[in-house]
Amino acid sequence: GAGVSQSPSNKVTEKGKDVELRCDPISGHTALYWYRQSLGQGLEFLIYFQGNSAPDKSGLPSDRFSAERTGGSVSTLTIQRTQQEDSAVYLCASSLVGEKLFFGSGTQLSVL
Amino acid sequence: AQSVTQLDSQVPVFEEAPVELRCNYSSSVSVYLFWYVQYPNQGLQLLLKYLSGSTLVKGINGFEAEFNKSQTSFHLRKPSVHISDTAEYFCAVRRYNTDKLIFGTGTRLQVFP
Repeated sequence: GAGVSQSPSNKVTEKGKDVELRCDPISGHTALYWYRQSLGQGLEFLIYFQGNSAPDKSGLPSDRFSAERTGGSVSTLTIQRTQQEDSAVYLCASSLVGEKLFFGSGTQLSVL
Repeated sequence: AQSVTQLDSQVPVFEEAPVELRCNYSSSVSVYLFWYVQYPNQGLQLLLKYLSGSTLVKGINGFEAEFNKSQTSFHLRKPSVHISDTAEYFCAVRRYNTDKLIFGTGTRLQVFP
């Protein structure tokens, strides 16, 4: 596609439910990143992929968070048993190796 | 591990005044440095980057930044700001041998008429 696409754009869920956030990167981009943006916290690194593998998962806040990428393209970030502190904007970005990141518009997650 | 510190969470400034947004980093190895900007209701986009060579780098919209290795800083400057520069600015760092990009907490630049 023309840009990085994220879905849904908004997600409201109840505490304790699982959610899946999807990212469609720019075609051909081998690197894919997930960040979390919340007030006062800036952009918090979660995980990044090179192809289908994740060299660095150190940013995932807890074992409730997981991510996968298939076919070197689409990625899914899953949050299990959501908590109110998970409320934030989840941003996905993609890039060619060593090049600038292109960001999606994000998924606004609200946990009630 | 590398980290990025943006000392100012908010910078208010009048139109046509100069501005400097501060960024300091820490890393045990050499790094690449970036500034990204997020305009209201828009996604982040690259403003400028330092990879190697001249320590003064120029970016879009009249912004420039200077890499200072001894002070581990990469401050962003513009000699005369415009209302349209109102945005959130993020400094970021990446180590030479990795694609992991770490961002600072951001600086909100508010330009007043």
